[in-house]
Amino acid sequence: KNEVEQSPQNLTAQEGEFITINCSYSVGISALHWLQQHPGGGIVSLFMLSSGKKKHGRLIATINIQEKHSSLHITASHPRDSAVYICAVRGYGGSQGNLIFGKGTKLSVKP
Amino acid sequence: DSGVTQTPKHLITATGQRVTLRCSPRSGDLSVYWYQQSLDQGLQFLIQYYNGEERAKGNILERFSAQQFPDLHSELNLSSLELGDSALYFCASSAGGHIGGYTFGSGTRLTVV
Repeated sequence: KNEVEQSPQNLTAQEGEFITINCSYSVGISALHWLQQHPGGGIVSLFMLSSGKKKHGRLIATINIQEKHSSLHITASHPRDSAVYICAVRGYGGSQGNLIFGKGTKLSVKP
Repeated sequence: DSGVTQTPKHLITATGQRVTLRCSPRSGDLSVYWYQQSLDQGLQFLIQYYNGEERAKGNILERFSAQQFPDLHSELNLSSLELGDSALYFCASSAGGHIGGYTFGSGTRLTVV
């Protein structure tokens, strides 16, 4: 079993829809990251969370430490949101400073 | 431009060869991380340097090595290359050893033929 699991693996939405991508992890963490990877390959860091909720524009990220679960929400989705969204966790102790990645969720938003 | 510069962007080389990938971190960032992204394994952490010293090691093969220089740029050396080493190699930087967000470079696409 992977230490970081994302669902769904693939997601197709119509423009304007509300989107949720989920991430569950099985290790103790010091932080959780949401990353966006565009078709060209570049990776952008969207959020870093250790508790609660963060919002940036149409993107909202939440984390529940007790349940070891995080969600990334996109409101009023747009075709330019089409990308792979990757959840990554940063562990404690010997793994501090490095990331364990989920397999990613491929989002396609149709006009 | 993220502020993290990786060169070259693309590299095609033959099996058995050695290559060097270069990363210049964002100004002021002391930590550099190297990651490998392959189709079958996804993104994997390779190694981290902090202010010139190795801080953490992940799934890095013995054929691979890295270093961080006094000017904080880093190099990832891949030797005795195999077809399976073909992947995207990303560098990221952050301000501290374990705090702050990560800024990723645009990656080096390595193809071993």
